[in-house]
Amino acid sequence: GAGVSQSPSNKVTEKGKDVELRCDPISGHTALYWYRQSLGQGLEFLIYFQGNSAPDKSGLPSDRFSAERTGGSVSTLTIQRTQQEDSAVYLCASGGDRYNEKLFFGSGTQLSVL
Amino acid sequence: EDKVVQSPLSLVVHEGDTVTLNCSYEVTNFRSLLWYKQEKKAPTFLFMLTSSGIEKKSGRLSSILDKKELFSILNITATQTGDSAVYLCARPETSGSRLTFGEGTQLTVNP
Repeated sequence: GAGVSQSPSNKVTEKGKDVELRCDPISGHTALYWYRQSLGQGLEFLIYFQGNSAPDKSGLPSDRFSAERTGGSVSTLTIQRTQQEDSAVYLCASGGDRYNEKLFFGSGTQLSVL
Repeated sequence: EDKVVQSPLSLVVHEGDTVTLNCSYEVTNFRSLLWYKQEKKAPTFLFMLTSSGIEKKSGRLSSILDKKELFSILNITATQTGDSAVYLCARPETSGSRLTFGEGTQLTVNP
């Protein structure tokens, strides 16, 4: 696609429910990142995929969070048993330059846990 | 984790003013420093700096890197209300390729 696409754009859920967030990166980009941004805060790294290498999961805040990337393209971030503190904007980005530093971001998913 | 520190955290100016945003960083093995603009949700790329002392320019925006003093500045001249946004500074982690972002500077340009 022309840009990074994320869905849904907004998600309201009840505490304790599971949610899945989807990211469709720019075609051909080998790097894919998930970041989280709470209101008024900076970007918090969650997980990084690069090609077929093992993902860097070091930013995932708890074992309730997981992500996968199928076929080196689409990625899904899953949050199990959501808590109110999970409420944030979840941003996906993809990169295709040599060091994957020039990232292209999607418009994010605003997650609200009631 | 290498830190990226931005200042000021917020700034309010009037149209036509010139602003300077600061970004300082820690480094073990420097590779690059990047600036992004975040207006609503999606940050958009502005500049990538790799060499010290070489100014990058795009319209009214410019940026320069000082690798000796470990900082970068982003200048915006003749500010417009459309420049209102959060400006983020980022650098790749030395332990991997992921980008570490600063907290950002919230710039508000009033008419």
